[in-house]
Amino acid sequence: GAVVSQHPSRVICKSGTSVKIECRSLDFQATTMFWYRQFPKKSLMLMATSNEGSKATYEQGVEKDKFLINHASLTLSTLTVTSAHPEDSSFYICSARGSGENNEQFFGPGTRLTVL
Amino acid sequence: GQNIDQPTEMTATEGAIVQINCTYQTSGFNGLFWYQQHAGEAPTFLSYNVLDGLEEKGRFSSFLSRSKGYSYLLLKELQMKDSASYLCAVMDSNYQLIWGAGTKLIIKP
Repeated sequence: GAVVSQHPSRVICKSGTSVKIECRSLDFQATTMFWYRQFPKKSLMLMATSNEGSKATYEQGVEKDKFLINHASLTLSTLTVTSAHPEDSSFYICSARGSGENNEQFFGPGTRLTVL
Repeated sequence: GQNIDQPTEMTATEGAIVQINCTYQTSGFNGLFWYQQHAGEAPTFLSYNVLDGLEEKGRFSSFLSRSKGYSYLLLKELQMKDSASYLCAVMDSNYQLIWGAGTKLIIKP
C-alpha cells in the first residue's frame, strides 16, 4: 500500500513554543490530507481536512489560528501547533487519501507531542 | 446526527474466533472501513466494504448489511499479536470518515 511519513515522531517542548509536524505521501500524490488528534484511550478526532492549494477546513471547536495547516504540494502537508500548552499534549496523526477505488486513507505513524 | 457504535472492550482466547460488531447511522454511505490500532501507533487498514456481503482476507473477514446499518469484523485463529483496538469508520456522503470509538480486544493465552 501507499506510504505516508510523519516527522517528527516524538517531540517535547516548553509551554508557549510552536511545533511544526510534517506529513508526506511518499509514493503517491495526495490531494486531500487529514489531521487527527487522539487522546489516550480515545478514538481519533478529526481536526481538519487539508486540500492542496486551498485553505484547510477545520472541524467545529478546533482553533484555526492555533493549529495552522499548510498543504503546499501534493505530497506535503504541515500542522503547526502555535503557542503550545500542556493541554495540547496528544498523539497527532495525519492521513492521506489515495486515488484508489476504495477511498482508503493511509495513515502516517503519528507524532507524540508533550508540552511541559 | 451521525453515530457509530461498537463495543468498548472484548476478551477472547488465543486460537479462538471473535466477532466485533459495528452499527452506524450516517448521512449517506460511501463505504465502511475497519482499522487496527496497536497502543501508541497509528491505525492500519484492515478492510473496506461498500456492497453487502462478506469480504474475506486471510484470518480476517468483514461483513456489511447496508439496510441494517451493520457491520462486523471476524477474526479467526486469534494470536496474541491481535491484541489491539479495532476501529470501525464509515465514509459519509461528503467522503468524510466518521469514526467509532474503537473496540479494545484483549487476547488471553
